[in-house]
Amino acid sequence: EPEVTQTPSHQVTQMGQEVILRCVPISNHLYFYWYRQILGQKVEFLVSFYNNEISEKSEIFDDQFSVERPDGSNFTLKIRSTKLEDSAMYFCASGLTDPNQPQHFGDGTRLSIL
Amino acid sequence: QKEVEQNSGPLSVPEGAIASLNCTYSDRGSQSFFWYRQYSGKSPELIMSIYSNGDKEDGRFTAQLNKASQYVSLLIRDSQPSDSATYLCASGSSNTGKLIFGQGTTLQVKP
Repeated sequence: EPEVTQTPSHQVTQMGQEVILRCVPISNHLYFYWYRQILGQKVEFLVSFYNNEISEKSEIFDDQFSVERPDGSNFTLKIRSTKLEDSAMYFCASGLTDPNQPQHFGDGTRLSIL
Repeated sequence: QKEVEQNSGPLSVPEGAIASLNCTYSDRGSQSFFWYRQYSGKSPELIMSIYSNGDKEDGRFTAQLNKASQYVSLLIRDSQPSDSATYLCASGSSNTGKLIFGQGTTLQVKP
């Protein structure tokens, strides 16, 4: 069964450093998302991406965050200058051809900021 | 602020029993609703989607939606110890697909 792939599974970074989280969505999916989950808290929406542009972003997704689909398969989340509070599990998800269709999540990247 | 509310539990049921999980949402404009299962340290795994009022059954799982009451539920029949997990309810934005998740209900199925 096709799946969303995320790398790395765990990223440890010094505060203030840039980090790029990578995702390969399911191949025929058109909608792409990033969510994060701080330990013990709910899953929070960060950004949705469709047709090569951001369709919605949350208040969390400030100027330090950016997303890119550099080629036909990868979808990346960049955090420019990481803060301690960015430590969380980051999930990439993709959906088929309609935003109402179910989203399938990758295994996540655990980001630890020191 | 659009929200999804769930009782965090834990909900404890004996093996073979029916587990009933509930959720309310605040955004009347939401058209899509989802139940995800999340094991500790893992990612959300889709169980059910529901879009219309009424019941939708898939194997041991039944999702129920009542848009007038802004209420979604999930019934798990013949509960198994492997069903022990946190169950996340989510409502979706019809324009962008943004999912708003509840806090999740922890289910414990005791052998």
